[in-house]
Amino acid sequence: QSVLTQPPSVSGAPGQRVTISCTGSSSNIGAGYDVHWYQQLPGTAPKLLIYANTNRPSGVPDRFSGSKSGTSASLAITGLQAEDEADYYCQSYDSSLSGGGVFGGGTKLTVL
Amino acid sequence: EVQLVQSGAEVKKPGESLKISCKGSGYSFTSYWIGWVRQMPGKGLEWMGSIDPGDFDTRYRPSFQGQVTISADRSISTAYLQWSSLKASDTAIYYCARLRYSSGWFDYWGQGTLVTVSS
Repeated sequence: QSVLTQPPSVSGAPGQRVTISCTGSSSNIGAGYDVHWYQQLPGTAPKLLIYANTNRPSGVPDRFSGSKSGTSASLAITGLQAEDEADYYCQSYDSSLSGGGVFGGGTKLTVL
Repeated sequence: EVQLVQSGAEVKKPGESLKISCKGSGYSFTSYWIGWVRQMPGKGLEWMGSIDPGDFDTRYRPSFQGQVTISADRSISTAYLQWSSLKASDTAIYYCARLRYSSGWFDYWGQGTLVTVSS
């Protein structure tokens, strides 16, 4: 299991708002390290969705937003669309682990 | 346009060696770290390690240290991931991705290389 905890699944109807949490600890998110989010559509490579907690790369719709507080971070998706059905991963850095960053376990978003 | 193009799918037997590649284009290859990420069948993403092609500084997550070797050839803007003796448990999709500094975020990803290890 990852040091970053995500719910295995979330769901929502088209047009609704959903949030995906990413819970860490004092050695990663709580230590001030940035959180990044990726979207992986079925059968494709991951794609950067949010970087440094709240920033969207060019081309990512503003329906996607990120936030961070304490030892947790969240990804919010508003105006849910069928094309948003995918796996979502958070990523950060952990000072207790050597060799790089860590990913959350991933969350499967189902659009009902 | 930034692109990372990975080598094609591989089918290998246990005990065989393998080297897969990741060619960068559209940016200064030596200015960004390249990371490798494993995704086992039906599972999540795992950070394996990374390399700075500028000075070849290489870092591995403990669970991958000694199991794989990450390298790069600056002259052809290509990073590599290699195994000396594959195991069935190495069956996975391997992604390379450009890192915004050694512990930052992956902003561009390769298409992935499927490695299948089976007798």
